[in-house]
Amino acid sequence: DQQVKQNSPSLSVQEGRISILNCDYTNSMFDYFLWYKKYPAEGPTFLISISSIKDKNEDGRFTVFLNKSAKHLSLHIVPSQPGDSAVYFCAALDSGNTPLVFGKGTRLSVIA
Amino acid sequence: KAGVTQTPRYLIKTRGQQVTLSCSPISGHRSVSWYQQTPGQGLQFLFEYFSETQRNKGNFPGRFSGRQFSNSRSEMNVSTLELGDSALYLCASSPGTGPYGYTFGSGTRLTVV
Repeated sequence: DQQVKQNSPSLSVQEGRISILNCDYTNSMFDYFLWYKKYPAEGPTFLISISSIKDKNEDGRFTVFLNKSAKHLSLHIVPSQPGDSAVYFCAALDSGNTPLVFGKGTRLSVIA
Repeated sequence: KAGVTQTPRYLIKTRGQQVTLSCSPISGHRSVSWYQQTPGQGLQFLFEYFSETQRNKGNFPGRFSGRQFSNSRSEMNVSTLELGDSALYLCASSPGTGPYGYTFGSGTRLTVV
């Protein structure tokens, strides 16, 4: 049973436009959410996170929105750049020292 | 500060053999988690070690095992390798208290032939 779902395996966006990556979760105990970016043959690198006490967190071009009632979060990248092309993973955990649970990832392609 | 170091970067093994992978966490981090990444499956959690004790375990067969040493370095062992074990194995280091600070290594690419 997949607790974190990224239903779009891939997304293509024009350079300069907004990229929106979506993530759904089923475990209501999750209270901390993270986004990681991954290039081939490299480990994931941390991008941005959000605690369940917030509904939005912003860091430069990256904003994460959390809708607890819908068990949904999204990552917005504005403006999108070709260097943003990578696989993006959504991850979640509850603060009780449980492991990070990942979605299957969304491959973002930003076209120049 | 130095990042998470995984060795070796690449490995080719034959079915039936065993393999040991190593992960050196960020200095001061007490938790090491291991993940398996295969195409289309995302990152699947194997196990987590905290202060030399296995704290969490995923749904992998007993052929997958690990340990952590007093300096927080961790090793992962896979015995009786199968073709399906071919994957990128990633370790993540964190302080171990709270949800912050998970940092991944570059991974070990294991190919079983």
